Amino acid sequence: DIQMTQSPPSLSASVGDRVTLTCRASQAISNYLAWFQQKPGKAPKSLIYAASSLQSGVPSKFSGSGSGTDFTLTINSLQPEDFATYYCQQYVDYPLTFGGGTKVEIK
Amino acid sequence: QVQLVESGGGVVQPGRSLRLSCAASGFTFNSYPMHWVRQAPGKGLEWVAVISFDGSNKYYRDTVEGRFTISRDSSKNTVYLQMNSLRPEDTAVYYCAREGNTAMATLDYWGQGTLITVSS
Repeated sequence: DIQMTQSPPSLSASVGDRVTLTCRASQAISNYLAWFQQKPGKAPKSLIYAASSLQSGVPSKFSGSGSGTDFTLTINSLQPEDFATYYCQQYVDYPLTFGGGTKVEIK
Repeated sequence: QVQLVESGGGVVQPGRSLRLSCAASGFTFNSYPMHWVRQAPGKGLEWVAVISFDGSNKYYRDTVEGRFTISRDSSKNTVYLQMNSLRPEDTAVYYCAREGNTAMATLDYWGQGTLITVSS
């Protein structure tokens, strides 16, 4: 199975900050990488697919980059509604695997 | 709009069975692969199974292979997860999710989830 490792596990940031989350795959996955946002008690929401493509309806403050094994999700100008847990996921092969998540908290 | 509504959750004893349903609407159901993903309390996301758009291909994670069966009924726009020989470690919220049908698409819509608790 392909292991996905996210860092940091959590971070504290202020409204208006720019944050960058990191995801590393245990083997090359090309750009078969997605990012999801999950708020407490809610279903995950798709943000990014194909490493850098924005899902329809997702604001452009979210951006993704990377290829191979190393990927990032950047969130510009953090707003209160952006405080959540973010997961990366590879979908180059089954089983699909998720990272452990990065919880973005308010400083 | 796309809607996925799971049902069938509840409390079940170890070793027993349960069937989850996911009713889909707002899109052409038989054009999309469908997945089940679960999340144990306080933990991360874990993929469970997928069924192709026409039901001809199915894949499972190792820990549920042979115990869980994914299926779909295009006449009812519903995907199912039959769970047998349940274990305490199967306790989780189970989400169904649609896989987009364009190039490089992934899980683009998710249901609200249904909680399964396996306990004696």
